[in-house]
Amino acid sequence: NAGVTQTPKFQVLKTGQSMTLQCAQDMNHEYMSWYRQDPGMGLRLIHYSVGAGITDQGEVPNGYNVSRSTTEDFPLRLLSAAPSQTSVYFCASQGADTNSYNEQFFGPGTRLTVL
Amino acid sequence: DAKTTQPNSMESNEEEPVHLPCNHSTISGTDYIHWYRQLPSQGPEYVIHGLTSNVNNRMASLAIAEDRKSSTLILHRATLRDAAVYYCILRGNDYKLSFGAGTTVTVRA
Repeated sequence: NAGVTQTPKFQVLKTGQSMTLQCAQDMNHEYMSWYRQDPGMGLRLIHYSVGAGITDQGEVPNGYNVSRSTTEDFPLRLLSAAPSQTSVYFCASQGADTNSYNEQFFGPGTRLTVL
Repeated sequence: DAKTTQPNSMESNEEEPVHLPCNHSTISGTDYIHWYRQLPSQGPEYVIHGLTSNVNNRMASLAIAEDRKSSTLILHRATLRDAAVYYCILRGNDYKLSFGAGTTVTVRA
């Protein structure tokens, strides 16, 4: 299993540009989520999904959109990038069965800089 | 969400035990205590979790106070690869994790 994969690893945007951060998992996990991590801080939840077609907002959803058309993929869209969105973005997934319910698996992160 | 309190940083010598405390005085009866760690430039990884009883796995041990208002993560023999930020998180019946600033562990060779 590849686990949770994220692309790109690094991205530089100009203010006002839009882009999509990709996240995929091959573990058939129902739950997927996006976090952002600013320097020296813990992760903050942006959006999450408990299954295909179901998404909800986390702690800091403004400026971001998500959709979940398949179990495997959970892209994060920045509508109009702002310097305040400069951060490292992590995607995570988790299963609902007994063996995987207690552990979230995180991707390697996407480091985004908005100029 | 119930919050946790952890020291900002701790230092240890290689091959010595590390005891990481966590206070969670407002924990509810259905909250599980989870620990994750984040190695430099990586995403967080699961370490251990528990509800009431002490737990052991290949990475660490988790000691939970009888009143559940505090817990301690124990790394039995720290190695340089254990240098990371360790997060103590209370998780309810949903999937959501709420990360604080964690404890930065430094391991001296």
